[in-house]
Amino acid sequence: DADVTQTPRNRITKTGKRIMLECSQTKGHDRMYWYRQDPGLGLRLIYYSFDVKDINKGEISDGYSVSRQAQAKFSLSLESAIPNQTALYFCATSDGLGANVLTFGAGSRLTVL
Amino acid sequence: AQSVTQPDIHITVSEGASLELRCNYSYGATPYLFWYVQSPGQGLQLLLKYFSGDTLVQGIKGFEAEFKRSQSSFNLRKPSVHWSDAAEYFCAVGMNTGFQKLVFGTGTRLLVSP
Repeated sequence: DADVTQTPRNRITKTGKRIMLECSQTKGHDRMYWYRQDPGLGLRLIYYSFDVKDINKGEISDGYSVSRQAQAKFSLSLESAIPNQTALYFCATSDGLGANVLTFGAGSRLTVL
Repeated sequence: AQSVTQPDIHITVSEGASLELRCNYSYGATPYLFWYVQSPGQGLQLLLKYFSGDTLVQGIKGFEAEFKRSQSSFNLRKPSVHWSDAAEYFCAVGMNTGFQKLVFGTGTRLLVSP
């Protein structure tokens, strides 16, 4: 099994719908992140969490919310999806030590029509 | 704030030829530097990292990168490219204090021709 698992891997939805992307990890890491990848823009940080009680906004948090249900679970929600939220979303984890290396999930491709 | 520039959007290399992918960063102190690779349909995998010591770092899959402080660069190299190296490559820079936020470059897509 993968260290960082994202579900669903692919999702097509309509404008205005609520969407949740889920992430679970078996790394035992305290830190979890949600990134968004768009062609030509690289990866941009949406939200990050250092532990269950610590949630922080990244550079592009508008239109998104998160929930850290447990150390191993970090969910990203789009309350009312819009077409410009069509992107590839990555969850990542890290232990916060040394260089704070990120371990990524395989990604969730979201299409909003 | 730190930033990363990958000037090449696409690069095509013949199989067996050498490869160099460019990365320049902007940060006021010595950063942590990373190269990640993203194969189609997969997440990002760490190739190598630099945060201190020897400026030439070795990574997985035969890749290496050299940190050049005077040029603010961290270019990725491989002496002989294989068809399986076709992927997108991301350079990232992290701060060495506090949150250690990672900032990613926009990526370089490597195409390998027969």
